[in-house]
Amino acid sequence: GAGVSQSPRYKVAKRGQDVALRCDPISGHVSLFWYQQALGQGPEFLTYFQNEAQLDKSGLPSDRFFAERPEGSVSTLKIQRTQQEDSAVYLCASSFPLRSGANVLTFGAGSRLTVL
Amino acid sequence: GNSVTQMEGPVTLSEEAFLTINCTYTATGYPSLFWYVQYPGEGLQLLLKATKADDKGSNKGFEATYRKETTSFHLEKGSVQVSDSAVYFCALRKNRDDKIIFGKGTRLHILP
Repeated sequence: GAGVSQSPRYKVAKRGQDVALRCDPISGHVSLFWYQQALGQGPEFLTYFQNEAQLDKSGLPSDRFFAERPEGSVSTLKIQRTQQEDSAVYLCASSFPLRSGANVLTFGAGSRLTVL
Repeated sequence: GNSVTQMEGPVTLSEEAFLTINCTYTATGYPSLFWYVQYPGEGLQLLLKATKADDKGSNKGFEATYRKETTSFHLEKGSVQVSDSAVYFCALRKNRDDKIIFGKGTRLHILP
């Protein structure tokens, strides 16, 4: 597609519920990143895929957070047993790795999660 | 570890004023440096970038120069417009396959 598409745009969950957030990257983009942006803060890295391989998951805050990209395209971020501190905007970004220079990440509009 | 520190906001200026948003970084080696902008209700967009020391990134009248000696990448614009009101994020990336590390963001308000 023309851009990075994320769904749902807004999600309200009761504490303890599981949620799944979807990211559809730009076609052909190999690299995919998930970030968490709390209100008034900068995006914080969660995890990174290159194709279907999850190369870095050091930013996932707990084992309740799980991400997958089984076919190297669409990715899903799953949060189990949601807590109020999980309330944030979850951003997905993708890029095509260049041999040189700085790869530019293209971000989606984000999924805003509110946990009540 | 690698990190980015930028001036806290909000920054409020009148239209046509000169803008500087300070950004300094901590990193080993030669990271690539970025400014991203987030307009109200929109996603993060790349504003400009620089990949090596003394490079100047520029876009939409904004400029930033990669200063290795002061580990800085300050954002400047000579004459701001109301439409520049947004949140600006300074960021770095160690290498092409690495994550981007963002600062906390600086909210900019431009008054007509």
